[in-house]
Amino acid sequence: DTAVSQTPKYLVTQMGNDKSIKCEQNLGHDTMYWYKQDSKKFLKIMFSYNNKELIINETVPNRFSPKSPDKAHLNLHINSLELGDSAVYFCASSLRDYGYTFGSGTRLTVV
Amino acid sequence: AQKVTQAQTEISVVEKEDVTLDCVYETRDTTYYLFWYKQPPSGELVFLIRRNSFDEQNEISGRYSWNFQKSTSSFNFTITASQVVDSAVYFCALSSTGGGNKLTFGTGTQLKVEL
Repeated sequence: DTAVSQTPKYLVTQMGNDKSIKCEQNLGHDTMYWYKQDSKKFLKIMFSYNNKELIINETVPNRFSPKSPDKAHLNLHINSLELGDSAVYFCASSLRDYGYTFGSGTRLTVV
Repeated sequence: AQKVTQAQTEISVVEKEDVTLDCVYETRDTTYYLFWYKQPPSGELVFLIRRNSFDEQNEISGRYSWNFQKSTSSFNFTITASQVVDSAVYFCALSSTGGGNKLTFGTGTQLKVEL
């Protein structure tokens, strides 16, 4: 059983499209995150949710909207995709700050 | 504000050499946690270690060891007798309650181990 699973693993789409990335964790963690890794490998937090409540919202364009239907899920919806959105998106979960478990990443390519 | 600096962008070593990856951090919190992650070419992020700010004991795990020094705000990582399979990008990261429990990553160090 994968602890943090995100789908799809690869996503190729055209500019202007809307797409979603799904994330699920079966660890019983109370906090979930989305991180973005750019082409230079730099990892940066985008959002975090604690018990379905948004607690961190970094300076991310409004085109990105996270949704957490329950503690075990955190999805990322992206509207009007742009070339600059191409990156690897990692979902992660944690129980407070005892440890962070990452999903395997979704490589998004906007063409 | 939290910050993690990994000044070494890329390191190349020959197999069996020892290599140390440097990590310097900044935080105003007194309670914080430091991490190292490995990202092999396959892309996943592999957890290596978590250390809290009150535990300055060095840690050894097989060929890996970590040196935490609060006086210099450093948390360095040494690989002894490096192997080709150690080739990866290594990230140092910091989290604290004051930072919202988010992980703040350094820019990573690309380690290349050659035969």
